[in-house]
Amino acid sequence: AQSVTQLDSQVPVFEEAPVELRCNYSSSVSVYLFWYVQYPNQGLQLLLKYLSGSTLVKGINGFEAEFNKSQTSFHLRKPSVHISDTAEYFCAVSRVSGGSNYKLTFGKGTLLTVNP
Amino acid sequence: ETGVTQSPTHLIKTRGQQVTLRCSSQSGHNTVSWYQQALGQGPQFIFQYYREEENGRGNFPPRFSGLQFPNYSSELNVNALELDDSALYLCASSTQGGLSYEQYFGPGTRLTVT
Repeated sequence: AQSVTQLDSQVPVFEEAPVELRCNYSSSVSVYLFWYVQYPNQGLQLLLKYLSGSTLVKGINGFEAEFNKSQTSFHLRKPSVHISDTAEYFCAVSRVSGGSNYKLTFGKGTLLTVNP
Repeated sequence: ETGVTQSPTHLIKTRGQQVTLRCSSQSGHNTVSWYQQALGQGPQFIFQYYREEENGRGNFPPRFSGLQFPNYSSELNVNALELDDSALYLCASSTQGGLSYEQYFGPGTRLTVT
């Protein structure tokens, strides 16, 4: 079984400041890692994913994340946030498979609020 | 390319009633997964359908059931509704056998049970 812990339920920052949203996971098998964003009253949009290869992954909207296997972490970062980045961010994992899409296990989410 | 669509957008039901939620997959996708997102929580996996059969199930009771149709669209049925079933229900489509491992989410159906 897999589990995901998002260490901060809320992160307030000022516009143009850097931000890091923390994610740790637990799994007895190898996993793929994902970050999704959810804007108010909307579904989830994929920001980025780690499947294999380089541990630094770049996604949409200027976000990036780094996979650290020894620390079982996958923290999300952005060097300069905008008001429009205000949203709920979810870290998720799914077990490694040979072409099969298994279930996603999500964390509880981090609400990023960007203030002017 | 048509994205994932869900209907209805909002729904209000009374405890004990039954409800059916619908999902149309993104074009080219053959797998549908359903998730329940309670207020203030992350989505929880309910089940997945592939080739019209259940292909994995989360920790949800049998009163949660589903169907997948030949055109890959899907339904989620919930019987004997309870107050705790109030949540946002998300459908996600994907492709088995592909290499992207991405799931594409619809906008969700907000179910309120009174």
